[in-house]
Amino acid sequence: AQSVTQLGSHVSVSEGALVLLRCNYSSSVPPYLFWYVQYPNQGLQLLLKYTSAATLVKGINGFEAEFKKSETSFHLTKPSAHMRDAAEYFCAVSEYNQGGKLIFGQGTELSVKP
Amino acid sequence: DSGVTQTPKHLITATGQRVTLRCSPRSGDLSVYWYQQSLDQGLQFLIQYYNGEERAKGNILERFSAQQFPDLHSELNLSSLELGDSALYFCASSAPGTPETQYFGPGTRLLVL
Repeated sequence: AQSVTQLGSHVSVSEGALVLLRCNYSSSVPPYLFWYVQYPNQGLQLLLKYTSAATLVKGINGFEAEFKKSETSFHLTKPSAHMRDAAEYFCAVSEYNQGGKLIFGQGTELSVKP
Repeated sequence: DSGVTQTPKHLITATGQRVTLRCSPRSGDLSVYWYQQSLDQGLQFLIQYYNGEERAKGNILERFSAQQFPDLHSELNLSSLELGDSALYFCASSAPGTPETQYFGPGTRLLVL
């Protein structure tokens, strides 16, 4: 069965610092992988997705993620954090033959200090 | 704005009651997905419909049911509500051929007292 593990339920960085949010997945077939962001009292917004093309995926708002099959990881990074990046981030996996059902990690809350 | 709409935004009801949550997908999308977000269970897939037919089922309770209508809007019915059903319920939609790319609505926050 598929699963997603996000390491760290809370991450705090200073404005301008590197953001690194960790995600490891488990899947029996090549997966599709996603990062979503949820701002307070809002729905989920797709940041980026990996669907078996380039392993380094660039998303919106300056975020990117690298698919590493050997490590079963899909960590999210941003070189320089901004106050507006404070939100909850969810990693998700979907198997290409499963009709699109998303399995989410538990989420990582990102705080950005001035 | 994802283009997915959900009503109502907030719902407060009592245990034992029944409620209906409504979702309108983006124009052209045929698939609708329902997810539940709660503090203890996180984000969980409930059910998927494609062009009016049930396509996949997740951890959906027997007290819950859903349907997708000919105009492609979907309703999630929750009955015999319990305190533990309090959660944020999201609807998402996807276009034909790209089921993995889902666009989420703003959610309906349900509080069962």
